Order: sequence, then structure tokens, then C-alpha cells
Amino acid sequence: GQQLNQSPQSMFIQEGEDVSMNCTSSSIFNTWLWYKQDPGEGPVLLIALYKAGELTSNGRLTAQFGITRKDSFLNISASIPSDVGIYFCAGYSRINSGGGADGLTFGKGTHLIIQP
Amino acid sequence: ETGVTQTPRHLVMGMTNKKSLKCEQHLGHNAMYWYKQSAKKPLELMFVYNFKEQTENNSVPSRFSPECPNSSHLFLHLHTLQPEDSALYLCASSLPGVDSTYGYTFGSGTRLTVV
Repeated sequence: GQQLNQSPQSMFIQEGEDVSMNCTSSSIFNTWLWYKQDPGEGPVLLIALYKAGELTSNGRLTAQFGITRKDSFLNISASIPSDVGIYFCAGYSRINSGGGADGLTFGKGTHLIIQP
Repeated sequence: ETGVTQTPRHLVMGMTNKKSLKCEQHLGHNAMYWYKQSAKKPLELMFVYNFKEQTENNSVPSRFSPECPNSSHLFLHLHTLQPEDSALYLCASSLPGVDSTYGYTFGSGTRLTVV
């Protein structure tokens, strides 16, 4: 099956620093999604990207859909303590989904830890 | 509140017990999913239901038995579990097929501990 390589696996940063994480794949995706999971909760959708080259912001978060359609990155500017959590990328590929419901492939997550 | 409700939030069960996890959504979605999330491991897709029909069983042991009586409810029946089955079990829902690109909505999960 398809795989998403998400990096880094974990990040230890100081409050106020900018954060950057990315996902890459050998396959083409039609949609890229970024989720955040707070401790003890389920993942929540942050940003959705539908077009190659698209750059979308949500507050201090910015994500881009790579021009090759095989990668995406998420940046967080001026991190604050509540940014702590696990960030997941997810990709949807029409080619491999066949219209079924099991279309999303998830990365393994980036654990973000912020030191005050 | 995400619109996907999971109960119970926490569950401790013995290896000989039988219990069920419940998931409910009223978002108008027709696809529902069970995921297992173990400590420091990626999300593992277990089961997929599309319009109440199971479309994927990701090689899950038979001690996990899903049930989807309608598009709004999903259950995971548990029996004779092992300690390594302890994990956070997440339910998610979405629009079906290509519309799942609008994203899955996850519940808060059930933290299961098998003793």
C-alpha cells in the first residue's frame, strides 16, 4: 500500500520558535490534510489542501501542497504551549482508492514538545 | 465536541471479559472507521464501513468484532483480549468515497486497558 514518510518524528523546541514538519511519498496524492491530536483526544483537522502548489494558512499555521503532489509541509510560527501534541499528515489518492471509503493514508505523526 | 461521540472514554477489562465500544455521529456521514492507536505507534486502521457495509478488515484478530447497524452508529465488540490490545481506540466518520477528501472527523477515543 501507499506510505507517507513524516518527519521529524519528534521535536523539542522553545516557546516562541517556529516549527516546520513535512510529509513525503513516492506516490502522487490528490489531497493533503494536516491533523493535530491533543493528549487523550482524537485528531482534529487543521488544514486541507486540494491543489498542487496551494499554500493555505490557518492562524499561525501554514501548509503547502507540493508542486510534484508527492509532498506537503506544515509550518507553525511563534509556537505557544498549547501547540503541544501530535501532528499527522494524511493524503488522499483517487487512483488507489477506487471511490471507496478507505481513501486516506496517514503519516506516523510528529510529536511536538515545547519547553517554556 | 467534534460531532463524533465515543463511549466509554475509559475502560478497564479483564482478559476473560466481554465489552463493547460505541461510536455515534450525526454529521450525515456514511462512512465510519475504527482505528487503534498504541503508545508511540502510528494510527492503525482496523475496520471501514461504507453505507453500513464493511469494506475493509485490516487483518484484525477475531477477538475484535465490529457492528454497524446504521450509518450513524458503530460498535466494536471485544472478547478475550490480550494485554497488548491496550490502546486508544478511535472512531472516525466521513463522507464516502472521493468526498472523504474533506477529511475524517474523529471522536475523542476510548482508552482501553486490558489487565
